[in-house]
Amino acid sequence: AQSVAQPEDQVNVAEGNPLTVKCTYSVSGNPYLFWYVQYPNRGLQFLLKYITGDNLVKGSYGFEAEFNKSQTSFHLKKPSALVSDSALYFCAVRDYNNNDMRFGAGTRLTVKP
Amino acid sequence: ETGVTQSPTHLIKTRGQQVTLRCSSQSGHNTVSWYQQALGQGPQFIFQYYREEENGRGNFPPRFSGLQFPNYSSELNVNALELDDSALYLCASSLSVGFNSPLHFGNGTRLTVT
Repeated sequence: AQSVAQPEDQVNVAEGNPLTVKCTYSVSGNPYLFWYVQYPNRGLQFLLKYITGDNLVKGSYGFEAEFNKSQTSFHLKKPSALVSDSALYFCAVRDYNNNDMRFGAGTRLTVKP
Repeated sequence: ETGVTQSPTHLIKTRGQQVTLRCSSQSGHNTVSWYQQALGQGPQFIFQYYREEENGRGNFPPRFSGLQFPNYSSELNVNALELDDSALYLCASSLSVGFNSPLHFGNGTRLTVT
């Protein structure tokens, strides 16, 4: 079955520094990978996706993600963090069998001024 | 462009009761999925509806049921509520059932079962 893992519950960075939120995946077949962000008391917002093609995917709000097949990773990155980036981030993978979007447990990102 | 809207935003029910949650999909989206998000966890897939038919289901018991209407709006019904059903219920719509279609989420309904 398709699955993703987010090894860090919490990531802390200083404003202006680069940030990385990690995600590893386990799939049979081609991976369809996604990143979402959730602000307090809100639903999830789509940031970016990898389907095929370039390993570096650019998304909303200056975020990008790097797909690495050999390491089965899909880490979310941003060159310069903002305090407003503080939120809960979820990595997800499509499951072909039942149209499920399988989410990781989430990583709480805190950007300090 | 109207996003995904869910109602009500909050709900308190007693164990054993039944509840209906509602969702209007984003304009132009024909596929609706429902997720349960327990506190501190990622969303868990309940089911998906496409063309008014269930098009995939997660590991939830039959007391979780749904409907999709011709205008693509949807309902989630939960019978015989249990304390563990307390969670944020998220509705998401997508442009199609294709695997590369991202989900667009509403802000959810917070259900508390006492």
